[in-house]
Amino acid sequence: GAGVSQSPSNKVTEKGKDVELRCDPISGHTALYWYRQSLGQGLEFLIYFQGNSAPDKSGLPSDRFSAERTGGSVSTLTIQRTQQEDSAVYLCASSLTSEGYEQYFGPGTRLTVT
Amino acid sequence: AQRVTQPEKLLSVFKGAPVELKCNYSYSGSPELFWYVQYSRQRLQLLLRHISRESIKGFTADLNKGETSFHLKKPFAQEEDSAMYYCALRGTGRRALTFGSGTRLQVQP
Repeated sequence: GAGVSQSPSNKVTEKGKDVELRCDPISGHTALYWYRQSLGQGLEFLIYFQGNSAPDKSGLPSDRFSAERTGGSVSTLTIQRTQQEDSAVYLCASSLTSEGYEQYFGPGTRLTVT
Repeated sequence: AQRVTQPEKLLSVFKGAPVELKCNYSYSGSPELFWYVQYSRQRLQLLLRHISRESIKGFTADLNKGETSFHLKKPFAQEEDSAMYYCALRGTGRRALTFGSGTRLQVQP
């Protein structure tokens, strides 16, 4: 079946502009995660959604970052007033539930802030 | 706080040589440990998890709680093992993964 999809695959934006990154999880997966991978760094957790529960936003680096998940499916990560340090690959993952199940990753969105 | 350390950015070996990718962690409770792999132009995918205690593609990893390590091993490396390997930890009560910075494994012919 279809895996996790993300769009766009690449995004170049000017400093100060807002960007929206989209994630379509695997159908039926109730847990959705956003991670960020900066150059030479590991993956950094950003935010996590599980069903209808309040999201775990503990990894968001600043209040310029926000995310929502509509209808328990598609998620959008929004970065306002982008800065050069926001340049990274943004990865989305989903899992059947949050308990002990494998996370399936999307191909990522490469964001470049000029 | 939880932390995963992979001390080697790059590990280069010849085909047929043994491989050990190091992973150390810091966590006060009982963690779940994973190895994820990313082959060239492919997505990040799960390789193995410590609770399964299985061998995948010839790789094994043993959780050593005394040394807080979860090293990934393979007795005879193959060229197709060349990839980026990430060690990850999930603590109790937190569902997201904490990743190490990754080790690039290059297997030369």
